[in-house]
Amino acid sequence: DTEVTQTPKHLVMGMTNKKSLKCEQHMGHRAMYWYKQKAKKPPELMFVYSYEKLSINESVPSRFSPECPNSSLLNLHLHALQPEDSALYLCASSQTGTYGYTFGSGTRLTVV
Amino acid sequence: TQLLEQSPQFLSIQEGENLTVYCNSSSVFSSLQWYRQEPGEGPVLLVTVVTGGEVKKLKRLTFQFGDARKDSSLHITAAQPGDTGLYLCAGVNQAGTALIFGKGTTLSVSS
Repeated sequence: DTEVTQTPKHLVMGMTNKKSLKCEQHMGHRAMYWYKQKAKKPPELMFVYSYEKLSINESVPSRFSPECPNSSLLNLHLHALQPEDSALYLCASSQTGTYGYTFGSGTRLTVV
Repeated sequence: TQLLEQSPQFLSIQEGENLTVYCNSSSVFSSLQWYRQEPGEGPVLLVTVVTGGEVKKLKRLTFQFGDARKDSSLHITAAQPGDTGLYLCAGVNQAGTALIFGKGTTLSVSS
C-alpha cells in the first residue's frame, strides 16, 4: 500500500459544528503532516507529528486540534471554524522527514 | 527563514511549445522536490534532486539542481494539454522536519 487515504473528500460545515478529518497510511512512515491549501496557492504547513508526538504547530488557531491515535492514523478535529477556513486540507506522510513525502487527495472543506 | 521563489507564477502556452520553470532560494537545500498537482487532488511527486549539478529526465521533463544547491529548474519539451496543472517546487526545512513549498506555477497548455 503506497497511498495516503483521506476522508471525507468533501465536507460542508456550519460555524457552530464539530467535525473531524481523517488520514490513514500503511507505509510505515513515522512522520505525518497536515497542510492547508487555498485555491491556486501552495500548501501551508499546519502540524507535524513525528513518532506519534506533535513536533511542530505552525501557530495554528486552537479551533484546529490535531490528534495521532497511532502510527497509521492522523485526525484533525474542527470546531467553531470561520468561513475563511474554507480550503483543501492535505495530509502527508514521510519516512524520514527528508525524502519520500506522499500526499493524500485532500478534504475540500467549506465553512458556511 | 528559508524561502523558495518560483517563477513564472502563471504560464499559458500552445501545445508543442517548450517552457522552463525556475525555483530559487538564498538558502542551501539538501534536496529539492518537484510536484505536480491537479485541481481537487493532492500534489504528486515528480522527482527529487539531491546532488548539486544533477540533471534528471522524466520523459519530456528535465529537472536540474544548481551546483550550489540553491536553485532548480524544470524544463518541459513539446508541452501537451495533459501537462496542465500546478507545478510546485519544495524543499525540506533546515531542521529536516517538514517540507516547504514555493508559490507554484500554474501551467495551462491549450491544443
